[in-house]
Amino acid sequence: KNEVEQSPQNLTAQEGEFITINCSYSVGISALHWLQQHPGGGIVSLFMLSSGKKKHGRLIATINIQEKHSSLHITASHPRDSAVYICAPITQGGSEKLVFGKGTKLTVNP
Amino acid sequence: DAGVTQSPTHLIKTRGQHVTLRCSPISGHKSVSWYQQVLGQGPQFIFQYYEKEERGRGNFPDRFSARQFPNYSSELNVNALLLGDSALYLCASSPTGRAVSGANVLTFGAGSRLTVL
Repeated sequence: KNEVEQSPQNLTAQEGEFITINCSYSVGISALHWLQQHPGGGIVSLFMLSSGKKKHGRLIATINIQEKHSSLHITASHPRDSAVYICAPITQGGSEKLVFGKGTKLTVNP
Repeated sequence: DAGVTQSPTHLIKTRGQHVTLRCSPISGHKSVSWYQQVLGQGPQFIFQYYEKEERGRGNFPDRFSARQFPNYSSELNVNALLLGDSALYLCASSPTGRAVSGANVLTFGAGSRLTVL
């Protein structure tokens, strides 16, 4: 069983729709990154959060440490949001490391 | 200010050869971490270095090694290349060695795409 499970694996939406991507993890973590990867490989960290909720523009990330679950929401989706979104928890302990989900490929059609 | 820079961007090697990948962190960042991303998969953690010391190592064979220099740049070396080493190798830098700190920002480079024939 993977340490990090994301759903859905693929998601196609129409412009303007509300998007939710879910992440469940089995390891103890200190925080979690949501990453965005565009074709060609470039990765950007959208959020790092350890509790509650963060908002940046049309993006909202939530985390429930007790339930080992995080969600990424995109409001009023736009074709430029098309990318792979990756959940990456940071493991606890002296040797912190990122573990990664396989990613959710989002396509937003105009 | 330049972001995280990686070189080379693309390279092709044959089985058994050796490769060195380079990463320059953002100015002021003292931690560098390396990741391998096989096509269609999420990245996997290889190494983290902070202040020139190894802070963490993922589940990779001893053919993989890395080091960090006094200027905080880093090299990833892979010996005896296998076909399965073909991947995008990503480097990320952050200000501190602790992943969770108030001012921490994790910044990725564009990656080095390695093809092993």
